[in-house]
Amino acid sequence: GAGVSQSPRYKVAKRGQDVALRCDPISGHVSLFWYQQALGQGPEFLTYFQNEAQLDKSGLPSDRFFAERPEGSVSTLKIQRTQQEDSAVYLCASSRPLAESSYNEQFFGPGTRLTVL
Amino acid sequence: GENVEQHPSTLSVQEGDSAVIKCTYSDSASNYFPWYKQELGKGPQLIIDIRSNVGEKKDQRIAVTLNKTAKHFSLHITETQPEDSAVYFCAAGSARQLTFGSGTQLTVLP
Repeated sequence: GAGVSQSPRYKVAKRGQDVALRCDPISGHVSLFWYQQALGQGPEFLTYFQNEAQLDKSGLPSDRFFAERPEGSVSTLKIQRTQQEDSAVYLCASSRPLAESSYNEQFFGPGTRLTVL
Repeated sequence: GENVEQHPSTLSVQEGDSAVIKCTYSDSASNYFPWYKQELGKGPQLIIDIRSNVGEKKDQRIAVTLNKTAKHFSLHITETQPEDSAVYFCAAGSARQLTFGSGTQLTVLP
C-alpha cells in the first residue's frame, strides 16, 4: 500500500478527553495537509507542513488543536479537551511539489472519524 | 479569505446523460482549481484540475472550464455511468491552501 494511511479510522472520546490522530504520508512527499470535514460538508483546511516546518496553521479552530511533524514524515494532530463540535472526519493529504509554487495532486487518506460524546 | 459556492447540492441523471456542476469563487488571487470525487468512507480523489492560465481541460469523459473574469468554473461529465455516482467537490486556492465547496451528490440512475 503506497497511499496515505491514517489511524485510528474511528475514535470515540468523551468530552474533555485529549485525542491524537496519526497520518502516514506517501513516502517522499514533502507537503502534508490536515483538513476537517463535517458531515455533509467539504473539507476545511486546518494546517500545512513542508517537511518538518509548519508553514500555515491559520485554519486551526482554537488553541486546543495542535499539529506536529517532527521528522518531516509522520504527522500527528492533537486535540486537547475535546468538545462536541470537534466531531468530524479529519483528513490528511500529502503531495510532492516539484517547486515552491507548483501545483501537485494532493493524495488524501481515508480519514479518522472522531465522535465526541 | 476565499469563499467557494457549489451548485447543485444534489443531481440525478439517467445513465448516458451528461452532468454539470458549477462553482464560483471570491478571491481573484486563486490560481488552482481541482475537482475531487469522494465515495462513502473514503478520502477525496482528484479527478481533474485546471490552472489559471488555462480556460478548458478535458480528460476522456471529464472536462473542466474556467472563467477567471466571472470567477466561476464548471465540471462536465459526459456519458455518465453508475460508477460515477459519488459526492463531487470543487476547490479553489493555491499550492499551499485550498478552499472546498460544499459538495454535489451525483446519482446516476441505470
